[in-house]
Amino acid sequence: DFVMTQSPDSLAVSLGERATINCKSSPSVLYSSNNKNYLAWYQQKPGQPPKLLIYWASTRESGVPDRFSGSGSGTDFTLTISSLQAEDVAVYYCQQYYSTSLTFGGGTKVEIK
Amino acid sequence: EVQLVESGGGLVQPGRSLRLSCAASGFTFDDYAMHWVRQAPGKGLEWVSGISGNSGNIDYAASVKGRFTISRDNAKNSLYLQMNSLRAEDTALYYCAKDMTGLALGGVFDIWGQGTMVTVSS
Repeated sequence: DFVMTQSPDSLAVSLGERATINCKSSPSVLYSSNNKNYLAWYQQKPGQPPKLLIYWASTRESGVPDRFSGSGSGTDFTLTISSLQAEDVAVYYCQQYYSTSLTFGGGTKVEIK
Repeated sequence: EVQLVESGGGLVQPGRSLRLSCAASGFTFDDYAMHWVRQAPGKGLEWVSGISGNSGNIDYAASVKGRFTISRDNAKNSLYLQMNSLRAEDTALYYCAKDMTGLALGGVFDIWGQGTMVTVSS
């Protein structure tokens, strides 16, 4: 089974500052034949369903603000919010789709400091 | 507007059955794989099951395999989840989600419904 581990569990960031969320996969989600990382990021605001932010580890979904960016490869990935806005308060999840048994990380709660 | 609307949730006793439905609109339903994802109260997301556009490929999480059955009716633009032998640990908000990849089970969820709550309790 693919295990996705996120850190930290929660973080508080001042408005306008950078927020960084980490996601580690075991095993790797890099498919060597196409050199693609099968890793997505979602945002879930209170009382709402999740929203897709990023797929292929770094491709931003249409309409997602460019302050959101994804990076990493293999087993270590990062979601960065370059300048935190009030509307970014949410729980963020990483998810692997390398295996047909899809798995999510435990989530990271982002709050305003 | 692309929309997914779940229904069929409720309170059910352990060991009983429940059938969830998801009505899709705003896109060509049979061109896309579909999934069920659940979220226990106050907890994270757990993928439950997925079905390809032509129902030829189906997958389940180990936690529900043998108890849950996913199906779809492309003529009715609808997705279903038949849940048998329900347990307390199946209590969750069940989301219907569209796979952005297309016909095959890709595993990236670009459209989500609002969810339907299932509570398993005596």
